Amino acid sequence: GDSVTQMEGPVTLSEEAFLTINCTYTATGYPSLFWYVQYPGEGLQLLLKATKADDKGSNKGFEATYRKETTSFHLEKGSVQVSDSAVYFCALSQGNTGNQFYFGTGTSLTVIP
Amino acid sequence: NAGVMQNPRHLVRRRGQEARLRCSPMKGHSHVYWYRQLPEEGLKFMVYLQKENIIDESGMPKERFSAEFPKEGPSILRIQQVVRGDSAAYFCASSSQGQGSEKLFFGSGTQLSVL
Repeated sequence: GDSVTQMEGPVTLSEEAFLTINCTYTATGYPSLFWYVQYPGEGLQLLLKATKADDKGSNKGFEATYRKETTSFHLEKGSVQVSDSAVYFCALSQGNTGNQFYFGTGTSLTVIP
Repeated sequence: NAGVMQNPRHLVRRRGQEARLRCSPMKGHSHVYWYRQLPEEGLKFMVYLQKENIIDESGMPKERFSAEFPKEGPSILRIQQVVRGDSAAYFCASSSQGQGSEKLFFGSGTQLSVL
């Protein structure tokens, strides 16, 4: 079945460091791919998405490129801030199968000043 | 312009009691999803509902768990005879479309603690 595998955390970085959180997926067909972010005490919020191969999603300095050949959707940011501290979830959706979303286990990021 | 509203925020139950979790979707949304987040695990899909209908309950445990989304009022996730293993964060999400929708809006979750 469809699934998402995410890089395990926790990840601790200094402010202005480069961030990569790996995400690979297994799916039939052509899913849409997402990154969601969960700040402490809150629900998940959509960070960015890509709906087809080679698409790049971007938001708030974060980027991820849909790579069909490597079945990956790695999240990157060139210079993290303390306010980026959160849990990041990679997810996929097969819209034609009832809109079920599959989430990774989440990666906790802590950015220290 | 309220988002997805879940209540209560925290719920404490003793083993054997019932837990009722409520979710009001965003205005105009008729599709509701429930997810469970266990410690050290990701979000696990439980059930997908439209108004008055269960569309996909493949992630729901076969016993003690039920969900509804009535024509009027919030969606309810009901857990009967709770056990300690039910302790988790339960998140509700809504969308304006079913198939083909690509964006879920999440509530802040209900943290269930079973003593």
